[in-house]
Amino acid sequence: EDQVTQSPEALRLQEGESSSLNCSYTVSGLRGLFWYRQDPGKGPEFLFTLYSAGEEKEKERLKATLTKKESFLHITAPKPEDSATYLCAVREANQAGTALIFGKGTTLSVSS
Amino acid sequence: EAEVAQSPRYKITEKSQAVAFWCDPISGHATLYWYRQILGQGPELLVQFQDESVVDDSQLPKDRFSAERLKGVDSTLKIQPAELGDSAMYLCASRSTGVSQGTEAFFGQGTRLTVV
Repeated sequence: EDQVTQSPEALRLQEGESSSLNCSYTVSGLRGLFWYRQDPGKGPEFLFTLYSAGEEKEKERLKATLTKKESFLHITAPKPEDSATYLCAVREANQAGTALIFGKGTTLSVSS
Repeated sequence: EAEVAQSPRYKITEKSQAVAFWCDPISGHATLYWYRQILGQGPELLVQFQDESVVDDSQLPKDRFSAERLKGVDSTLKIQPAELGDSAMYLCASRSTGVSQGTEAFFGQGTRLTVV
């Protein structure tokens, strides 16, 4: 069973059409939920870290929120340059190291 | 701006050959990770170092993969012999070890390996 599940797998939006990406997780003891952006052929780029339910963070057109079971990445009035794969990851309390457990990502395409 | 450096960016190798990847983390970052990302999937941990020590290599296929970080700075990941299923993006990431364990990891641009 996947510990981090992202939906939808792919999302197509028109420029200016707001939407949300979902990340649900099942880990025992969350030590942080992370959002990354990944452009084709490149490494993931850090966006946000959330630590506790109710926490919110914003950056330009992106806003990340966290509950006890899931996180949402809200995209307000997206632009074509927001097209990328968005990865969600968690750090679990009871693990050997501090590595992140990633979901499979949501690929966002924004057309003008 | 400090970056994680990886080389080469692209590598094509024949099945059964040896291949090596190099990573130089952000200066001062004690924690270094190697991840593998298959196309269409999220990154998966291969090995984590704290300084020169291995913290977690439970998912590293030790019959063919090896990793080292001899002086606790840069690191090398080796595959010998390479198999067709090893074709993937190999990502290196580093993290500062602070009071909180929630600090983010920064990724390099990765090495795209194709085994033919």
